[in-house]
Amino acid sequence: EVQLVESGGGLVQPGGSLRLSCAASGFTVSSNYMSWVRQAPGKGLEWVSLIYSGGNTYYADSVKGRFTISRDNSKNTLYLQMNSLRAEDTAVYYCARDFSGAGFDPWGQGTLVTVSS
Amino acid sequence: QSALTQPASVSGSPGQSITISCTGTSSDVGAYNYVSWYQQHPGKAPKLMIYEVSNRPSGVSNRFSGSKSGNTASLTISGLQPEDEADYYCSSYTSSSTPLYVFGTGTKVTVL
Repeated sequence: EVQLVESGGGLVQPGGSLRLSCAASGFTVSSNYMSWVRQAPGKGLEWVSLIYSGGNTYYADSVKGRFTISRDNSKNTLYLQMNSLRAEDTAVYYCARDFSGAGFDPWGQGTLVTVSS
Repeated sequence: QSALTQPASVSGSPGQSITISCTGTSSDVGAYNYVSWYQQHPGKAPKLMIYEVSNRPSGVSNRFSGSKSGNTASLTISGLQPEDEADYYCSSYTSSSTPLYVFGTGTKVTVL
């Protein structure tokens, strides 16, 4: 079964850091495009970052320079390192396999990141 | 790049058909046939319902269909059922490197 499981969310103070993990099963992360998408409480979906199978990375302007997407091929796991966190980064973060414009599928269950003092 | 525009809410009775619109620009919806639709129940992760404008993933009911004309894409749900009550989001690839993808504002579907 193709599945994604996120972890690493929690409460962090403004300016702090957090690393999210997304463990995949049923497919190989390094052979696919993978994206992070977030959803602020009660709000819509926002694309955050993408890593291509070749390793190129892309970021939304709102997180560029603060967030870093990466993967560990040996663990078949995707990561999102989040630094200099702001209140507006508070959201549920989802990882998803990215079919290069042909949709995100599947999605993980999401992990909540709360940035507050 | 702004979010794609969707109606905030759409409602219908069981068995009826409803259509949700998704309006973008010539830099996203109008530029590519890379429009997808997602269903999200409360507290759950989004689920892919339509990809590349009108294609259904395996396992998705054929009551869901998609189309596009110019800068506007549409999702139609026919034979509305109680379990279709959820939030629906469209998404499009964009011609920009940031963001690469833009989502719609979301539509709450209510089954009366």
